[in-house]
Amino acid sequence: EDQVTQSPEALRLQEGESSSLNCSYTVSGLRGLFWYRQDPGKGPEFLFTLYSAGEEKEKERLKATLTKKESFLHITAPKPEDSATYLCAASRGGSNYKLTFGKGTLLTVNP
Amino acid sequence: GAGVSQSPRYKVTKRGQDVALRCDPISGHVSLYWYRQALGQGPEFLTYFNYEAQQDKSGLPNDRFSAERPEGSISTLTIQRTEQRDSAMYRCASSLRGGANTGELFFGEGSRLTVL
Repeated sequence: EDQVTQSPEALRLQEGESSSLNCSYTVSGLRGLFWYRQDPGKGPEFLFTLYSAGEEKEKERLKATLTKKESFLHITAPKPEDSATYLCAASRGGSNYKLTFGKGTLLTVNP
Repeated sequence: GAGVSQSPRYKVTKRGQDVALRCDPISGHVSLYWYRQALGQGPEFLTYFNYEAQQDKSGLPNDRFSAERPEGSISTLTIQRTEQRDSAMYRCASSLRGGANTGELFFGEGSRLTVL
């Protein structure tokens, strides 16, 4: 069974304090690894897709990386508006329309 | 509309009643997905359509759950004889065809179902 595990469950940072979120996955025949951001009361919002080990994607203060077993979302010099739940998801080849999500990491950035 | 629209946003029903949840996807998006999200959890796949064809319904929990998309646009998720364990946020998402390859799904704000 495909599994996606995120850690930590919650992370509290001071503004400007860089850190990383972890997503480990057990997916046979990984097709893609995805990161989403979810604000309270809203639906998930797409951030990145990674397809192969060694790949990196960047957007503003966020950078996502992928290895054969895990993905990291690095947050550099975060701001309070980066506070949200960050969800990791994976799909497998042959049923790549079906995303298996982790439980998410709740990030709080204090001013 | 500009985004995926779901209705009702909130539904409270009594155990045993049937409920219908509606999803209006982004115009031009041929793929439509239903997910269920419990509090503190990530979304869980329920079913998937390309145009009007239901391609995969393996995530539907049991035969009380069904979904349709008769004209390839608006979709309805129906839960018959609701039970308390059905209480959750039901989220619809849409994408361009092949959108799942890129992982770029556009989610609606969801329909929160509470079964008393």
